[in-house]
Amino acid sequence: GESVGLHLPTLSVQEGDNSIINCAYSNSASDYFIWYKQESGKGPQFIIDIRSNMDKRQGQRVTVLLNKTVKHLSLQIAATQPGDSAVYFCAETTGGTSYGKLTFGQGTILTVHP
Amino acid sequence: KAGVTQTPRYLIKTRGQQVTLSCSPISGHRSVSWYQQTPGQGLQFLFEYFSETQRNKGNFPGRFSGRQFSNSRSEMNVSTLELGDSALYLCASSGTGTYTGELFFGEGSRLTVL
Repeated sequence: GESVGLHLPTLSVQEGDNSIINCAYSNSASDYFIWYKQESGKGPQFIIDIRSNMDKRQGQRVTVLLNKTVKHLSLQIAATQPGDSAVYFCAETTGGTSYGKLTFGQGTILTVHP
Repeated sequence: KAGVTQTPRYLIKTRGQQVTLSCSPISGHRSVSWYQQTPGQGLQFLFEYFSETQRNKGNFPGRFSGRQFSNSRSEMNVSTLELGDSALYLCASSGTGTYTGELFFGEGSRLTVL
């Protein structure tokens, strides 16, 4: 993940638009990359993951893209809804017996306007 | 199926005191990880326990410790509290010894140190 700070990147979209949230990671040895969503007052919630031997994975309304050449990860949310408003974190892990040890990015605040 | 339960949800301590936080994982889960979340540093890994053994440890001072019991419940302890320990402490559980892609987070224990 990138360096952290007090001011999180923000993304503001209209309901029904597609959203793209980006993340840069740092560890070339990471084998799994995961996206989490955190709503106010709650713990992070798993969205989708991708292994390092893949470059794209799709879920329900979400797609994760991985570019290992430039160490970049993105989360695409289709037809964004107000309920998607939250802070989104990317995370990486080397997996194996270290999968419980996640390194998180700083997060992006997504706001969806009705 | 009950989720991850953390107690207490909120607590206030003064500098120099110690605190113990508790985490009950999802039934059947054997891995418990702890994370500290602050506005300045984001989400940082503290440690992970699997079958009562510490499997991974983050870069925190020795004042931060933890343990896991035979029923997989876990506790973390912070001794000689400092103002900078004010944070949301999150616990996450996962089912097996190998990567399954998803950590289940509790809602956290919010610690304020005065």
